[in-house]
Amino acid sequence: QVQLVESGGGLVKPGGSLRLSCATSGFTFSDYYMTWIRQAPGKGLEWVSYISSSGSTIYYADSVKGRFTISRDNAKNSMYLQMNSLRAEDTAVYYCARTVAVAGTRGLDPWGQGTLVTVSS
Amino acid sequence: DIQMTQSPSSLSASVGDRVTITCQASQYISNYLNWYQQKLGKAPRLLIYDASNLKTGVPSRFSGSRSGTDFTFTISSLQPEDIATYYCQQYDDLPWTFGQGTKVEIK
Repeated sequence: QVQLVESGGGLVKPGGSLRLSCATSGFTFSDYYMTWIRQAPGKGLEWVSYISSSGSTIYYADSVKGRFTISRDNAKNSMYLQMNSLRAEDTAVYYCARTVAVAGTRGLDPWGQGTLVTVSS
Repeated sequence: DIQMTQSPSSLSASVGDRVTITCQASQYISNYLNWYQQKLGKAPRLLIYDASNLKTGVPSRFSGSRSGTDFTFTISSLQPEDIATYYCQQYDDLPWTFGQGTKVEIK
């Protein structure tokens, strides 16, 4: 079955860095766009970034542009999020999601279980 | 950015009740809207895509519709397992944006 497993979260000081990973299985990873979404504690969902199936197309939310870098390794069926210059407001559960991109349709399905990133001194 | 105004923020209904949640887009987004369910402590799950298409395997008591820039999500007969927070999400333009969420509880 389709599985997405995030890892790499943890406690980091403001200004620090973390690299999140999203390991996938159960589908042809190289056929799909992939997306990172985050959810601050007790808050709603915020789209962070997505990457096309080949990695040639990448977009970021303004809130992370210039600080976060999304990437993927199709040979390893994995996606990554390098997070630099972390701020307290980046504290959230980070989810990866397979992204359906067929004709005009886009959908985040399924999602991983999430990994918690806490930015605090 | 496209703003998605979702209402109500919470609701309480009895088992068997019809439940309706609305999302209003700040501009025209065609049918480019999805609905997700998030149970407590879990990741969100896609229920409806393209405003009104039910994802395979999702119970038919869930439905979605669109009128202009107003989108409606309906649970025709609320079940105990439907206790969750529901989010709309537009993908007409980047950044993809979500509604604030509606927490559904059993009365």
